[in-house]
Amino acid sequence: DGGITQSPKYLFRKEGQNVTLSCEQNLNHDAMYWYRQDPGQGLRLIYYSQIVNDFQKGDIAEGYSVSREKKESFPLTVTSAQKNPTAFYLCASKSSHYNEQFFGPGTRLTVL
Amino acid sequence: AQSVTQPDIHITVSEGASLELRCNYSYGATPYLFWYVQSPGQGLQLLLKYFSGDTLVQGIKGFEAEFKRSQSSFNLRKPSVHWSDAAEYFCAVGNAGNNRKLIWGLGTSLAVNP
Repeated sequence: DGGITQSPKYLFRKEGQNVTLSCEQNLNHDAMYWYRQDPGQGLRLIYYSQIVNDFQKGDIAEGYSVSREKKESFPLTVTSAQKNPTAFYLCASKSSHYNEQFFGPGTRLTVL
Repeated sequence: AQSVTQPDIHITVSEGASLELRCNYSYGATPYLFWYVQSPGQGLQLLLKYFSGDTLVQGIKGFEAEFKRSQSSFNLRKPSVHWSDAAEYFCAVGNAGNNRKLIWGLGTSLAVNP
């Protein structure tokens, strides 16, 4: 089945630890995105990548880092510099031929 | 400034009743418009989209939306709501020139009474 997978579904970390969230797609999409979702705040863009080995900051990039070494993969690292990392994180991808984004199931990160 | 407004944070309807969720946008270029639905703890699913042409677009699950350029609106409608429609609904806008990024509304939470 084609789609976007995010792992793990739930993630718990101690404060001060870096953590990496996985996002993989087998849709052959060029663009990939990371969003953060908090109650009542909708979706906020963290980083996006239009092609391999290239990515841009979104609206709330501070405390996060990404890489795009392969077309299929766009991992997000939440660093200790992110002041309030507990949130629901969504990964999305988009084909260069179409305009809609397709979403993964999300990862809920809780920092204790 | 580019923005999307969903005026209703929360709506409750009875099962079988009609539904309209509002979306207003402010966007400098010709917009592409989207409605997504999110069940609790899940990712977002595309309901429908508008790029050009007929201003009334049909989507999945019996939803439709109408693009009204003069009112800068793209309201989502369903003639008869089912209990399974209870979810969060998001409106988003982008365009062909810079569709790498979408502008998102804050969402409308829909509850359905039996």
